[in-house]
Amino acid sequence: ETGVTQTPRHLVMGMTNKKSLKCEQHLGHNAMYWYKQSAKKPLELMFVYSLEERVENNSVPSRFSPECPNSSHLFLHLHTLQPEDSALYLCASSQDGQGSDEKLFFGSGTQLSVL
Amino acid sequence: AQKVTQAQTEISVVEKEDVTLDCVYETRDTTYYLFWYKQPPSGELVFLIRRNSFDEQNEISGRYSWNFQKSTSSFNFTITASQVVDSAVYFCALSVSTGTASKLTFGTGTRLQVTL
Repeated sequence: ETGVTQTPRHLVMGMTNKKSLKCEQHLGHNAMYWYKQSAKKPLELMFVYSLEERVENNSVPSRFSPECPNSSHLFLHLHTLQPEDSALYLCASSQDGQGSDEKLFFGSGTQLSVL
Repeated sequence: AQKVTQAQTEISVVEKEDVTLDCVYETRDTTYYLFWYKQPPSGELVFLIRRNSFDEQNEISGRYSWNFQKSTSSFNFTITASQVVDSAVYFCALSVSTGTASKLTFGTGTRLQVTL
């Protein structure tokens, strides 16, 4: 148990659907992250929030829309996805979001399949 | 730009064998941090170790040991007397000092399979 909970664990959606991924951290951290993990590719950083402010948007298509209402919750809203968006989406948190030496705490991810 | 290379895609060993996972990194920054994470079948990445660029001391933690060599830009990870529970995907990662939130560059991972 890492203290970071993601729901749902699995999601199947059509290309025209709208869905949301949820992440909650119980560690009192100030920074939260979305990563995408595709087969045979390195983990890709998508978004970073520090103190509820987005500090990184790593050239992610607009069909992915993050939301961070408070430092404990992070959402990823999905709409009109493509089959190549099928991947494991991992949420993570870190203590301060102010340094490159911070270790990240990850959730178990949402396995997304886009049909 | 940063890059992390884990050339070994999959390694299979028999329990109690020693195994070394290789990691080679590239960066022009003089201040950086190296990490290893473990991803068991349950999916979450678990932090194993962090090392800064100014500390080349090797580290041992139980059956795990890490060899950091700046001269070869490598940060290799050895598991001694491997066990079935060590079966997982292991990721090496690099982070450079940006003054903002951590932005890890990950390798593609090495899948370790330990069998009886």
